[in-house]
Amino acid sequence: SAVISQKPSRDICQRGTSLTIQCQVDSQVTMMFWYRQQPGQSLTLIATANQGSEATYESGFVIDKFPISRPNLTFSTLTVSNMSPEDSSIYLCSVEGSARQPQHFGDGTRLSIL
Amino acid sequence: GQQLNQSPQSMFIQEGEDVSMNCTSSSIFNTWLWYKQEPGEGPVLLIALYKAGELTSNGRLTAQFGITRKDSFLNISASIPSDVGIYFCAGQNYAGTASKLTFGTGTRLQVTL
Repeated sequence: SAVISQKPSRDICQRGTSLTIQCQVDSQVTMMFWYRQQPGQSLTLIATANQGSEATYESGFVIDKFPISRPNLTFSTLTVSNMSPEDSSIYLCSVEGSARQPQHFGDGTRLSIL
Repeated sequence: GQQLNQSPQSMFIQEGEDVSMNCTSSSIFNTWLWYKQEPGEGPVLLIALYKAGELTSNGRLTAQFGITRKDSFLNISASIPSDVGIYFCAGQNYAGTASKLTFGTGTRLQVTL
């Protein structure tokens, strides 16, 4: 399966600031996704990162808060904007190598907001 | 959003014991996946199931796709300390190119020596 690298692996940020998380894959993939995992909870899909077009957001998530880019088939970024303590979570990137293949996950970015 | 119900929520077992956990949904899925997450890591795929009634093994792990397509089961035989982690089920339906995963609430497994 594809090797997925996320940066940073963890960060501590101040309230009101923004952080951009990078997801790099070692091979071209059809689909890339961003998830949030709140402390002690399961994974919730934020959005599907579409190559060359705007991301598709799930209910409860908006582009102004979580802008996403996907400039090519191996890279995507998620920005967490105007952060508050409620945004403290693990943010995970996943990829689907080709159509109808299981998703594989990066190791996540552990974000704490003070 | 929807989450799938997993049970039990947590398990404390002794090394060598067998483990069973299940995942139920109010809606149908055409793919079921099982992942394991260890501290500081992302979920790792264990087993993928694509057909109702399918029974698939991966070493000591065996998973089944329920006949109703609304549930799935994971069994771990002869548990060992490295089985510790959180196990998540995920249901998936394909509609064109859309392939969203809906995750279960997770089962936390602790193994004692």
